[in-house]
Amino acid sequence: DAKTTQPPSMDCAEGRAANLPCNHSTISGNEYVYWYRQIHSQGPQYIIHGLKNNETNEMASLIITEDRKSSTLILPHATLRDTAVYYCIVRLGSQGNLIFGKGTKLSVKP
Amino acid sequence: KAGVTQTPRYLIKTRGQQVTLSCSPISGHRSVSWYQQTPGQGLQFLFEYFSETQRNKGNFPGRFSGRQFSNSRSEMNVSTLELGDSALYLCASSLLGTGNTIYFGEGSWLTVV
Repeated sequence: DAKTTQPPSMDCAEGRAANLPCNHSTISGNEYVYWYRQIHSQGPQYIIHGLKNNETNEMASLIITEDRKSSTLILPHATLRDTAVYYCIVRLGSQGNLIFGKGTKLSVKP
Repeated sequence: KAGVTQTPRYLIKTRGQQVTLSCSPISGHRSVSWYQQTPGQGLQFLFEYFSETQRNKGNFPGRFSGRQFSNSRSEMNVSTLELGDSALYLCASSLLGTGNTIYFGEGSWLTVV
């Protein structure tokens, strides 16, 4: 079973920051937090991942709380093309597979 | 650098037939995993291969099988197809190691009629 809890859906205005929360209260010390998104009918797209520290790349920022029990994915300036299902996944570093939950359906509106 | 390539992209099979799907991982990636996505069950892990050996397996019946070749390319096979096997089948590849990234292909859409 997925070890994460996400809201089923969220809306965001175009141009504004989208903040997607994720709870992972049972995460263990050697598990990473990964974020993927899936646009309808396409394969999941990797966004970002982290272990303890906050991370940023060209797509997004990942903020992990100090106790590591929750995290937030931030899309700084959402566009219509960011409309997708976003999956937060906890994964053992050496584990080869991902366990997906239901994700959050983000709708970016003009 | 080419991404994960899956063939065919779309196919239609009849109940009772079998199907083979192919996956070419990103160059240098030796870990390949397969997933099934259906509207009802979401994304579910099928199996993972590394160096031609199955490392991990999800909870699917024996009709689902896979293999990996020495060049890391992988195939999955579903025998005695059922209507419920209609799904998007996704292949993913990665380097083996802590904190690495798993990259997905665009998937193969299978419809069983």
